[in-house]
This record gives sequence, C-alpha cells and structure tokens, in this order.
Amino acid sequence: GENVEQHPSTLSVQEGDSAVIKCTYSDSASNYFPWYKQELGKGPQLIIDIRSNVGEKKDQRIAVTLNKTAKHFSLHITETQPEDSAVYFCAASSPSNYQLIWGAGTKLIIKP
Amino acid sequence: NAGVTQTPKFQVLKTGQSMTLQCAQDMNHNSMYWYRQDPGMGLRLIYYSASEGTTDKGEVPNGYNVSRLNKREFSLRLESAAPSQTSVYFCATRADSTDTQYFGPGTRLTVL
Repeated sequence: GENVEQHPSTLSVQEGDSAVIKCTYSDSASNYFPWYKQELGKGPQLIIDIRSNVGEKKDQRIAVTLNKTAKHFSLHITETQPEDSAVYFCAASSPSNYQLIWGAGTKLIIKP
Repeated sequence: NAGVTQTPKFQVLKTGQSMTLQCAQDMNHNSMYWYRQDPGMGLRLIYYSASEGTTDKGEVPNGYNVSRLNKREFSLRLESAAPSQTSVYFCATRADSTDTQYFGPGTRLTVL
C-alpha cells in the first residue's frame, strides 16, 4: 500500500524567510496530494492541494510542487509570519479510493 | 452552521471500560471518517462511511466499532478500552464533489 514520508519533523525559520517541507510517496498510482495545517488544539485544515496532472500550484504565499518521476512533492511558504507557526501534514491518495495516507507531520516554528 | 462537532472534548477511561465518541455534521456530506492521531505518526484511518448505512475498515480498525446512525452522525465505540488506544481522535467529512476533508476539533482520550 501507499506510504508517505515527510521531512523535516521540526523546522525553525526566521520571520520573513521561506520554509520548505518535503514529502515522498511510494504508490505511483497516487494522483491527489493535499497539505493540511493543524493549529494547537484544532483539527487539520486544508491549505492547498495538487493533482498529478499539474506540476505546481500557488496561492498567495503558499505553493506546492510535484515531481511525479521522483514521487515527491513539497510545500513552500514565503515571507513567513508568526501565524504560520503550526504543524503541517502532507497526504496522498489514489484514484481507487478517497482514503488519504498521511505523513507524520512537520512542526513549523517562526522565530520573531 | 457548526460544521463538524465532536463530543466529548476530553475523556479519561480505565482499562476495560467502554465508551462512544460522537460526531455530527451539518454540511450534508455523504462521506465521514474516523482517524486517530498519535505523536510522530500523523493521522491513521480507523473506519470510514461512504454513505448512510455503509461502513468500511480503514488502516487500524482493531478494537473499534462504528455506527452511521444517519447522514449527520457517525459514532466510534471502544468496547473494552486499552492503554494503546490513548490518542486524539478526529472525525472528518467530505462531499462527493470534492477531495477536501473537513475535520472536527478532536477528542483527547486517555486510557489508564
């Protein structure tokens, strides 16, 4: 079955700098790759997603890139702000079902 | 419009006790999910329901049962709680027309 690995587990960046979180997946049939943000004491919330027919997608300061050949995708956050501090999860799913397989999460810390 | 609600928010059980975690949604979504979240392991799917009256096992179903009471409600039951079931439990929903999952605020369960 699908396996998703996420790195790093913790990332500390200076406010205003960029942050990059990377995930790799094992199932070449996977075609949907969302990123969720989880703030303390809350459930995860979708921030951006990408499908396998697209190489990059942007939404203001957030972007996701996908390399199907290498089976990895990344979350890029530019001009980081204190409110970006949270745990970020990547996930992958295949067309055979809507079950998401999740990465272990990255705790992003924005230093003032 | 409350979205996805979960009760209780916190619960402490003794080994062998039983309890039911409740989830309700007012989003009119067909699909509902139960996940558990453990440190360093991301989210793992316990059970899901594609529509009222149907349920299917996920990645980690052992020790749990579910009931899709109606379109709005999806409950998770622990018949004989074990310390290994100490976790944070999240309910999520999804509309048929999208891949986005919407999460409740979670239930933090401790089994002593």
